[in-house]
Amino acid sequence: QSALTQPASVSGSPGQSITISCTGTTSDIGDYDYVSWYQQHPGKAPKLMIYEVSERPSGVSSRFSGSKSGSTASLTISGLQAEDEADYYCSSYTSINTYVFGTGTTVTVL
Amino acid sequence: QVLLQESGPGLVKPSETLSLTCTVSGDSISTYYWTWIRQPPGKGLEWIGYAYYRGSTNSNPSLKSRVTISVDPSKNQISLKLNSVTAADTAVYYCARALWGVRGVKENDYWGQGILVTVSS
Repeated sequence: QSALTQPASVSGSPGQSITISCTGTTSDIGDYDYVSWYQQHPGKAPKLMIYEVSERPSGVSSRFSGSKSGSTASLTISGLQAEDEADYYCSSYTSINTYVFGTGTTVTVL
Repeated sequence: QVLLQESGPGLVKPSETLSLTCTVSGDSISTYYWTWIRQPPGKGLEWIGYAYYRGSTNSNPSLKSRVTISVDPSKNQISLKLNSVTAADTAVYYCARALWGVRGVKENDYWGQGILVTVSS
């Protein structure tokens, strides 16, 4: 199975909004609303930020939001803060009953 | 609070079997699916597979022939065995709790801290 496609890097200034795309196929993102986003700081375990396309777990800032159109999902971070600098991974369930992650995006706060 | 802790050898020789255990506290292991995920140094996340205590499992097609994942409710532990390892299997290995929806795995909400396993002679 192929990894979902994400841009390698995205950057923005404090206070700005950025969007990370995650492109899959009709066999994963296009067929399931089971899209999640994970944040990973260096040396740490990933943390669930968004689940089921647009839901936020308790404790996650409302500055993080998710959406999906067709086979592409997106994560938007509004009011960018220094602490948001991290790697972000999308994921989806697939039609062959497996699970796939995105290639990962490094977010840099300028 | 749900806590997951991976344990096992940090060094495995090529061609041997990598064996890891994930111990879960604060939750019943029989209620959920459980996932193993790995991350080679400097690279992205790779899904290895998931398992349910009743024996339902599935794994990454690229690893399927080498992977065994099992759940032991009596010990509240999940195990991972990966045989015939090579240097390409060097990675941080994570266990995570998987929430199952009507159609499959929705997300992995709790993660262990991860354990680095190096394959080298």
